[in-house]
Amino acid sequence: LAKTTQPISMDSYEGQEVNITCSHNNIATNDYITWYQQFPSQGPRFIIQGYKTKVTNEVASLFIPADRKSSTLSLPRVSLSDTAVYYCLVAIAYSSASKIIFGSGTRLSIRP
Amino acid sequence: DSGVTQTPKHLITATGQRVTLRCSPRSGDLSVYWYQQSLDQGLQFLIQYYNGEERAKGNILERFSAQQFPDLHSELNLSSLELGDSALYFCASSATSPPYEQYFGPGTRLTVT
Repeated sequence: LAKTTQPISMDSYEGQEVNITCSHNNIATNDYITWYQQFPSQGPRFIIQGYKTKVTNEVASLFIPADRKSSTLSLPRVSLSDTAVYYCLVAIAYSSASKIIFGSGTRLSIRP
Repeated sequence: DSGVTQTPKHLITATGQRVTLRCSPRSGDLSVYWYQQSLDQGLQFLIQYYNGEERAKGNILERFSAQQFPDLHSELNLSSLELGDSALYFCASSATSPPYEQYFGPGTRLTVT
């Protein structure tokens, strides 16, 4: 099963680019990599998902190297409202024996 | 609003009791997932159902059980409750095909006294 490792916390300032890396050394061929954002006492919110190379949407980019053993979530020009916990998730799309493993989460604090 | 609803929002009960948490997935989503999040902890995957069938199982205790009904809503049953079961319980749903984004409900906060 793919286990994920993320930094416990990160600090940055408004307007900066923030990169959060997740390690998933045992990722399997069919695993997708997904990132979620969670505010206190709320359910996580989907940010971005990818399988390989680079994916970009209106809020973030996801970089996945060729070996897929890590991934980096990039948040451009962060604001105070980006202060949250960010989770990396590796999960098999289809499998009767699949398990879904969230990383421990990275607590991102943005300062003015 | 994710489109996933959970009831009740808060639940306070005593040790040894049994409770049922309810989840209605987004319209059209066939998969339902249950997660437990203890205070300041990460998300622990409990179980997944797909169109009424159990699809994946995480670290779900034997005292806990779940099911998904024909109308696709799901219930998580927690019995013989212990103080350590106090947590936020989230339900999420997703569409059938990969890549599958999960949409989370607002959660049920369970307090066991």
